[in-house]
Order: sequence, then C-alpha cells, then structure tokens
Amino acid sequence: KQEVTQIPAALSVPEGENLVLNCSFTDSAIYNLQWFRQDPGKGLTSLLLIQSSQREQTSGRLNASLDKSSGRSTLYIAASQPGDSATYLCAVRRVQAGTALIFGKGTTLSVSS
Amino acid sequence: GAVVSQHPSWVICKSGTSVKIECRSLDFQATTMFWYRQFPKQSLMLMATSNEGSKATYEQGVEKDKFLINHASLTLSTLTVTSAHPEDSSFYICSARGRQGVAGWAVNTEAFFGQGTRLTVV
Repeated sequence: KQEVTQIPAALSVPEGENLVLNCSFTDSAIYNLQWFRQDPGKGLTSLLLIQSSQREQTSGRLNASLDKSSGRSTLYIAASQPGDSATYLCAVRRVQAGTALIFGKGTTLSVSS
Repeated sequence: GAVVSQHPSWVICKSGTSVKIECRSLDFQATTMFWYRQFPKQSLMLMATSNEGSKATYEQGVEKDKFLINHASLTLSTLTVTSAHPEDSSFYICSARGRQGVAGWAVNTEAFFGQGTRLTVV
C-alpha cells in the first residue's frame, strides 16, 4: 500500500529565506508526483507535476525534484514571501491507469515579514 | 487550463437530512472523477472513484449507501451525503481526469480539482 509522508509538518521562516519541503513515498512504482498548495478552507492549486521519467520541474521560484528509486521528492522555494504561507501537499499517482492521487498530510508553511 | 467547478462551496444542514454536492468539468470531458474527504489537519483521503456511465468504486471503509455518487454524464458527477450526521462534517473535494480538451492540451495525465465543499452538520 502506497503511503506518502511529508516532513516537516509545519515550518516557520522569515521572509527571504530559501526552504525545502520533503516528501517520501513507500512504493516507487508511480506514474507521476504532484505538488499542490492549499490555502485555509480552500481547494487545491497545482504547483508542479513531475512525470516518473523526469528528475525535476521548475516554475518561477519553485523547483521540485524527484528521485523515484529512493522514493523521495523535494520542493524548493526560493526567496520566500509572506504570500507563500499555505499548506503544501505532495501526492503521487500509481502506475495503473485511471487511479487517484495519494496524498501526504502536508507541510504548513508560515512566512513572516 | 482545465476548470472543475464544485458547488456549493459551503453548506450547513441539519442532522438526518441529505446534501448533494455537484462537480462539473467546464471545458473537458471528465471520464473519471474522484471524490476526496479532508478532516481538519489531515490529508485528503480518497472516498471513491467513478467512471462515466458506471458504478462508483468505493474505498474501504466508505459506506456506499451513505455516500451516493452519480456520474451520469461526461461533465457532471454528484456526491449525495444521505442522512448526514455531525461526524460527516468535513471538507469534500472532487477531481476530474479526462480526454483531450477543447483547447488541445492533454488532460489524461492530470487530475484537476474543484474548489471544495465545506459541509457542517448540526
């Protein structure tokens, strides 16, 4: 059974810091991995999608890496801003077609000005 | 990108009543829809998977007679919480995956999420 773990559960940093969020998964047979942002009481915003054949994806100040063999992914946020404060969720999709995403519990990030 | 619209965004209902939540794909055909539930400070947990025109597949521990899912068309799926109780209070969110979109991009590898529905049963 696939399990997704995110560390740390919560993180507080001052504005401007670079930070790394970690995600690990127990079964390396994944189709892709996706990072989301969730604001309190809101839905999900997709940040980055990494296919199983890819090593990383970048979007603006965000960079996500994937090491499928070791079951790990990291989300790197450069020059953090107060607007980055949210919960970041990591999710993996299994190899079988039509399967749902399996989510971690998320990392709640607070960036102070 | 693809848009999934979920309605209502929040609802308060009395214990024992039923509540229907709608999930619509606005610009693509959703061949598969997923329903998740999220309790406070917990992860999203998959409740069921539905393919258009067929019965939903429920995850272990999810009562199919309590959480009725209908996916009768390629753009609409509904989740009905029957005889709701306070312990059903949660954040419900749908996601959709489908065929090639009108805009030409492939939607068959990503799942697009609705805005979620906050259900409070009093």
